[in-house]
Amino acid sequence: ETGVTQSPTHLIKTRGQQVTLRCSSQSGHNTVSWYQQALGQGPQFIFQYYREEENGRGNFPPRFSGLQFPNYSSELNVNALELDDSALYLCASSFETGALSGNTIYFGEGSWLTVV
Amino acid sequence: SQQGEEDPQALSIQEGENATMNCSYKTSINNLQWYRQNSGRGLVHLILIRSNEREKHSGRLRVTLDTSKKSSSLLITASRAADTASYFCATVLNDYKLSFGAGTTVTVRA
Repeated sequence: ETGVTQSPTHLIKTRGQQVTLRCSSQSGHNTVSWYQQALGQGPQFIFQYYREEENGRGNFPPRFSGLQFPNYSSELNVNALELDDSALYLCASSFETGALSGNTIYFGEGSWLTVV
Repeated sequence: SQQGEEDPQALSIQEGENATMNCSYKTSINNLQWYRQNSGRGLVHLILIRSNEREKHSGRLRVTLDTSKKSSSLLITASRAADTASYFCATVLNDYKLSFGAGTTVTVRA
């Protein structure tokens, strides 16, 4: 158990719809990152939130947006869903941005999104 | 584009044998991390090695880093059925994100 919880675990949406995925970070962690993992591939960085501000963004279009709340939980929103958005969406929490500092990054179990 | 590339893509070994997988990357890194992912589930952090380190151990895991060759290896000794999973290397450049490769799928046969 990593202490990072994501919801929902599975969902099916229709092309053009909007989806919101949620992540509750580990207690004491102020940084949340989101990754997209297509089947058979490695995770791709979407963006990171640090103390409620976007701290960096990967190569994803603006229809991918996010929020981080005062309790450091986070949401990933995807508008105008496309078939290629079908993937496992992973949330990762850490303390003080994580990757560069060397602090351990903890991943949730992910949300499987299928777009039909 | 992916920074890291794992090799081989898939590996099948007998329980008790050692498993070795490699990761090559393209640009200078701050640190390199290895993760395990059981089928369709979240990633689990295994070990982190910094650019000024050459080798690290954690239990049955041994990681090496050769910055001159831009490569790393993960060795799992005395493998168990529970080691069946996909293993990913992730590089960290001068920023906040992990850049993952496509992973090595390891199957440990009983």
